[in-house]
Amino acid sequence: DGGITQSPKYLFRKEGQNVTLSCEQNLNHDAMYWYRQDPGQGLRLIYYSQIVNDFQKGDIAEGYSVSREKKESFPLTVTSAQKNPTAFYLCASSRAENEQFFGPGTRLTVL
Amino acid sequence: AQKITQTQPGMFVQEKEAVTLDCTYDTSDPSYGLFWYKQPSSGEMIFLIYQGSYDQQNATEGRYSLNFQKARKSANLVISASQLGDSAMYFCAMRGTIWRGNEKLTFGTGTRLTIIP
Repeated sequence: DGGITQSPKYLFRKEGQNVTLSCEQNLNHDAMYWYRQDPGQGLRLIYYSQIVNDFQKGDIAEGYSVSREKKESFPLTVTSAQKNPTAFYLCASSRAENEQFFGPGTRLTVL
Repeated sequence: AQKITQTQPGMFVQEKEAVTLDCTYDTSDPSYGLFWYKQPSSGEMIFLIYQGSYDQQNATEGRYSLNFQKARKSANLVISASQLGDSAMYFCAMRGTIWRGNEKLTFGTGTRLTIIP
């Protein structure tokens, strides 16, 4: 089955730790995206990548980092510099101007 | 800059009735795309319907239709014959002109729809 997988589903982090969220797609999409969703809010763009080895900052990139070494993979690292990382993180992919397809999300909680 | 406004934080609708979810947008891009997504309690975003700014007809997908009024900058989602499974958060989103590099989606704050048996 084609789709987007995110792991883990739930993640707990101690303050001061870096954590990496995984996102993999087998849809052969060029573009991939990371969004953050806070309770009762819409989605805000963290980073996006239109092609391998290239990515751009979104609206709230501070405290996050990404890499795009393979077309299928777009991992997101939440660094200790992110002051309020507790949120729901969604990864998406798309072909050019078409709709974005989303993964099931990762819920990150800072202890 | 692009902006999406959804003014209905929550709606309650009787099962089998039609429901309209409001969405207005603002952009300076000459061409753009408008999307609606559904987010059930599980959290995953499900694509429902798309309308291009130059499309002559309003988009339809099964029970979903998009009431696109370009001059008023509105793109309301209409769900006909609502079902209990329609209870979810609904987000309107916009994408700007691709060749300007504005392929990012901007989301509204969402409307929580609850269908009453």
